[in-house]
Amino acid sequence: DIQMTQSPSSLSASVGDRVTITCRASQSIGVYLNWYVQTPGNAPKLLIYAASRLQSGVPSRFSGSGSGPEFTLTISSLQPEDSATYYCQQSFGTPYTFGQGTKLGIK
Amino acid sequence: QVQLQESGPGLVKPSQTLSLTCTVSGGSISSGGYFWTWIRQHPGKGLEWIGYIYHSGTSYYNPSLKSRATISVDTSKNQFSLKLNSVTAADTAVYYCARGATHAQSNAEYFQQWGQGTLVTVAS
Repeated sequence: DIQMTQSPSSLSASVGDRVTITCRASQSIGVYLNWYVQTPGNAPKLLIYAASRLQSGVPSRFSGSGSGPEFTLTISSLQPEDSATYYCQQSFGTPYTFGQGTKLGIK
Repeated sequence: QVQLQESGPGLVKPSQTLSLTCTVSGGSISSGGYFWTWIRQHPGKGLEWIGYIYHSGTSYYNPSLKSRATISVDTSKNQFSLKLNSVTAADTAVYYCARGATHAQSNAEYFQQWGQGTLVTVAS
């Protein structure tokens, strides 16, 4: 199975900050990397697919980059509603696997 | 906008079979270009892909479930289902159904739309 490792596991930032979350795959996965966001009690929601494609309706402050084994999710200007847990997920090969999550809080 | 809704028992006894159904509205499960997925999340933990199925019936599963999972599709009801047999307490989780899609340029697959999830507890 392809292992996905996110860093950091948690972080806290201020409104307006630029925030970056990293996801590293245990092997090269091309651009087969997706990002999801989950708030407590809710289902995950797709943010970014194919490493850098913004899902329709997602604010433009979210962006994704990277290829091969290392990827980043960037929030250009953190908003209060961005407090959530973020997951990466690879779709290079089955079984599809997720990172362990990054819990983002607001200072 | 397509919507997905999970349904099924919230409590299952150990060694029995967990059965869940996902009802799709706002779109046809028979329409091409999508696949239909089950994902679960153990309490307070991360996400685990269970498997997916195409409307044709072709399916793929996570080997970690040791062949206990079966996903089926009923196009006449616009539903797809999950059966997980021989359950134990380790199968207690929130179960999500989701619609998967493929990015045409890169062929990358992703889980585009999710149901709200349903908690299934395995206990006697």
